[in-house]
Amino acid sequence: KAGVTQTPRYLIKTRGQQVTLSCSPISGHRSVSWYQQTPGQGLQFLFEYFSETQRNKGNFPGRFSGRQFSNSRSEMNVSTLELGDSALYLCASLGSNTGELFFGEGSRLTVL
Amino acid sequence: TQLLEQSPQFLSIQEGENLTVYCNSSSVFSSLQWYRQEPGEGPVLLVTVVTGGEVKKLKRLTFQFGDARKDSSLHITAAQPGDTGLYLCAGEYNQGGKLIFGQGTELSVKP
Repeated sequence: KAGVTQTPRYLIKTRGQQVTLSCSPISGHRSVSWYQQTPGQGLQFLFEYFSETQRNKGNFPGRFSGRQFSNSRSEMNVSTLELGDSALYLCASLGSNTGELFFGEGSRLTVL
Repeated sequence: TQLLEQSPQFLSIQEGENLTVYCNSSSVFSSLQWYRQEPGEGPVLLVTVVTGGEVKKLKRLTFQFGDARKDSSLHITAAQPGDTGLYLCAGEYNQGGKLIFGQGTELSVKP
């Protein structure tokens, strides 16, 4: 069974630009969550999508948005990038029977 | 604000030593999960504890959930270099993909 796939793995942007990250969950998983990981703040919840609807939302500004498609793939977008947005962005899909989160390897974003 | 305090943040020990990592909150969780993350990878689930007072063992790792479901601990016996990594506790309040993570414990086990 293929794991959670995130693309791209690494990217560099400059302040003011926008970025889109993609996540393909494990086949059959309908819930996708996004987390931001930084050395200072640790892992922080961004949002969760289930069946194309946002089910939970963290405390991030409106520059952070996401969506989910009918095939459960999800994207997150960050607009007007700031230096502080540099982080590892992790996507996780939720095992429907176990409640276990399966994480991808992450997309490492550097904002210059 | 729901917070999980994890301690210690850093731990450097010799192979064969024992260690305990703590995870504390003022909030009650429906469940608490422990993850391990290695460099360049996402966190991987080690265990989920659900019932207050529950103890689970995974080889040399022992996980405990507090009676009031507000705290948890991870104890590693006879640590090995392969145990090196970032250990994360995460609390779940409602079912779904939203977890509140502790800051993590960076463990280094030297041979």
